[in-house]
Amino acid sequence: DTEVTQTPKHLVMGMTNKKSLKCEQHMGHRAMYWYKQKAKKPPELMFVYSYEKLSINESVPSRFSPECPNSSLLNLHLHALQPEDSALYLCASSLRWTSSGLNEQFFGPGTRLTVL
Amino acid sequence: AQKITQTQPGMFVQEKEAVTLDCTYDTSDQSYGLFWYKQPSSGEMIFLIYQGSYDEQNATEGRYSLNFQKARKSANLVISASQLGDSAMYFCAMRDNNAGNMLTFGGGTRLMVKP
Repeated sequence: DTEVTQTPKHLVMGMTNKKSLKCEQHMGHRAMYWYKQKAKKPPELMFVYSYEKLSINESVPSRFSPECPNSSLLNLHLHALQPEDSALYLCASSLRWTSSGLNEQFFGPGTRLTVL
Repeated sequence: AQKITQTQPGMFVQEKEAVTLDCTYDTSDQSYGLFWYKQPSSGEMIFLIYQGSYDEQNATEGRYSLNFQKARKSANLVISASQLGDSAMYFCAMRDNNAGNMLTFGGGTRLMVKP
């Protein structure tokens, strides 16, 4: 199994809703990432988990709350989002967080989020 | 701070021809990695090719090759024998090997392959 899966593929939510995005990998990777990508822009890193611990939080607003319940799962809990949070949310994983050699990031297909 | 520049927002190439996508980077670090990713309209980022800063030979992966010119700080992607399925966004990215596995992405190039 060499893929990262994300659910749901599409999500429409109101500004008062609470929803969660889910990401899963079974490659034995110990680093997992959340990215936000606006149309026609590169992905922007939001969070990094290494061995299920939050390693990087790129000053993301608290209405985004990540969670890594085990080494295969990564969630992103959403609450009181704004319309400008509408974007493609990508999850990725890599063998480890430390950088040496290839250690490429494998990306999931993303969740297209629309906030009304 | 690192910076990645892709100067071609959009490019056309005829099917079966080769195409070069430009990428220049700016870093004061000696140890770094360079990556190219492809993003079709479906959204998934697909890893294509990697070059380490100490690798002396240019990386190749099938129809993809990386033209690495360290002194000029460029890492251009060459796609040979373009196919219709190559139409996508292409992102160049750099990793500073002193800062974890964090990628800095360029702005991307949209490649369109004409039949």
